[in-house]
Amino acid sequence: AQTVTQSQPEMSVQEAETVTLSCTYDTSENNYYLFWYKQPPSRQMILVIRQEAYKQQNATENRFSVNFQKAAKSFSLKISDSQLGDTAMYFCAFMKPRDDKIIFGKGTRLHILP
Amino acid sequence: NAGVMQNPRHLVRRRGQEARLRCSPMKGHSHVYWYRQLPEEGLKFMVYLQKENIIDESGMPKERFSAEFPKEGPSILRIQQVVRGDSAAYFCASSPQQGLNTEAFFGQGTRLTVV
Repeated sequence: AQTVTQSQPEMSVQEAETVTLSCTYDTSENNYYLFWYKQPPSRQMILVIRQEAYKQQNATENRFSVNFQKAAKSFSLKISDSQLGDTAMYFCAFMKPRDDKIIFGKGTRLHILP
Repeated sequence: NAGVMQNPRHLVRRRGQEARLRCSPMKGHSHVYWYRQLPEEGLKFMVYLQKENIIDESGMPKERFSAEFPKEGPSILRIQQVVRGDSAAYFCASSPQQGLNTEAFFGQGTRLTVV
């Protein structure tokens, strides 16, 4: 069975700093998808970034980028030039292709301080 | 194009009552997924439905929980005889085809509180 582990329950950084959220996962699959979701206080689940395991290049979306280390089964999220609006819960997630369920980690609560 | 709509946003039920949670998928989406989020936890898969069919209910509790997605109207997650442990946020997601890898659109969730 696949598992997703986020070892940092809570983090705080100053506005404009760079922060890295850790995620490791366990799977015997060779091909799969990895995601980072943001959940602000409104509770809306917002897809931040997606990585396909067969792609070696790390995904980036504006200020958000990932460090995907397939051999180490690590998938960290880097937020550059952090903004107050980045304050939220961040969930790392895993999914097999053509599957119908996403496996979520327990989340990291990120506070961006003014 | 409205996103995934869930209602109500908040629902309070007494122990033993029934809870009905509704989810209207995005326009053009015929696949619906329900997830449950317990306090301080990530989302956990419950059930996957297509119109008039339950495809995968491996995450649903065996008793008191049921889901449907009729030909017309929203998908319904029904919890009978609720207990305190059912208190959680329930999220619905939809996609235009099987597999959320295409794009996963989540609703804002329904927070169920059992008193």
